[in-house]
Amino acid sequence: NAGVMQNPRHLVRRRGQEARLRCSPMKGHSHVYWYRQLPEEGLKFMVYLQKENIIDESGMPKERFSAEFPKEGPSILRIQQVVRGDSAAYFCASSPRTGNVNTEAFFGQGTRLTVV
Amino acid sequence: DQQVKQNSPSLSVQEGRISILNCDYTNSMFDYFLWYKKYPAEGPTFLISISSIKDKNEDGRFTVFLNKSAKHLSLHIVPSQPGDSAVYFCAASRNNAGNMLTFGGGTRLMVKP
Repeated sequence: NAGVMQNPRHLVRRRGQEARLRCSPMKGHSHVYWYRQLPEEGLKFMVYLQKENIIDESGMPKERFSAEFPKEGPSILRIQQVVRGDSAAYFCASSPRTGNVNTEAFFGQGTRLTVV
Repeated sequence: DQQVKQNSPSLSVQEGRISILNCDYTNSMFDYFLWYKKYPAEGPTFLISISSIKDKNEDGRFTVFLNKSAKHLSLHIVPSQPGDSAVYFCAASRNNAGNMLTFGGGTRLMVKP
């Protein structure tokens, strides 16, 4: 059973370009979460998605950032018009459908975005 | 406002001794707590968790203790091994909130041979 797959592992973008980060959850997992880790800091929650639905986007910057988890295919985190401050490691996590019972989330290896 | 705090950015212990990593939280709505281990350039790996209805959970060399009244939890690793050297993150979530995690800033553990 493959784990959470993120690609690309490293992404370099010039200021003003768009960045697209992809995440395929573990098989059988229907919940996807995106987190961002700035240098020397902990992970910060960005957005929680289920198939075709954004459940909670309270951690997403209001502008330039969007996320989707379509019926088919991976979840996409999209950053438009990137700025240097967007440089960070972006982690995707997935968890199974468990109703209201908490369970651990499994993380991918991350995408390291560098804006030059 | 940082709801989950790890006040020690680093910890150094000798191989074979106990490592104790601490974590404090402020949100009384948190009811599930987790510890993740992270190596450089990799994603966090789940270690152990505890529900707020318990005060201790043990898994091999790892034990997590929860003191709800103090809003404090700790991770004990005994005996510590050099391979345990990594950054450890404490995380918390609320039931009925979809397992979204609030992370602490991490503690870098170095286990010396």
